[in-house]
Amino acid sequence: RKEVEQDPGPFNVPEGATVAFNCTYSNSASQSFFWYRQDCRKEPKLLMSVYSSGNEDGRFTAQLNRASQYISLLIRDSKLSDSATYLCVVNGITGGGNKLTFGTGTQLKVEL
Amino acid sequence: DGGITQSPKYLFRKEGQNVTLSCEQNLNHDAMYWYRQDPGQGLRLIYYSQIVNDFQKGDIAEGYSVSREKKESFPLTVTSAQKNPTAFYLCASRDRGGNTIYFGEGSWLTVV
Repeated sequence: RKEVEQDPGPFNVPEGATVAFNCTYSNSASQSFFWYRQDCRKEPKLLMSVYSSGNEDGRFTAQLNRASQYISLLIRDSKLSDSATYLCVVNGITGGGNKLTFGTGTQLKVEL
Repeated sequence: DGGITQSPKYLFRKEGQNVTLSCEQNLNHDAMYWYRQDPGQGLRLIYYSQIVNDFQKGDIAEGYSVSREKKESFPLTVTSAQKNPTAFYLCASRDRGGNTIYFGEGSWLTVV
């Protein structure tokens, strides 16, 4: 089983739709979680951290379910500019210290 | 402006040659990382350094080498021993105790 798993997509949705992605992780000792956005041929950029109580930033909502070991990202009222790949990132403790593990990303395409 | 600078952005290399990718940060971050990204495989950790004069192998270190003589600099050498070096290389840094990782704009390496 991969340490961090995501559905690669692509998810093709119409503008204005609500879309949700999930990401599962295998290390139950993982401590912190993030969603990064990556545009084509660009570097990943932090979208939002994921807190235990869930958090919202405008149209974006992130949630963490420790019992089932998954995090989710919900995007409401999708815009064309939301088209990108969304990377799930998990920070866990290993023998070498903190380790960030990236999922392979979920591709979102928002269409007219 | 603080940030991470990678150079060159595009590099073409002949088989059998070593090349060095530069990564400089002025964020005063302790930890620096090198990742490789291939289509459909997400980011894979090559090497990381938590402090000056110390570095650790990541998941795919074979065929690569690094140095960390200064806090600001973490160059990556792709040696001729790397069997499939064509990829997008991302340098990143993180503050000690911090969770957020910041990326440079990446370097595209093509072996011809």
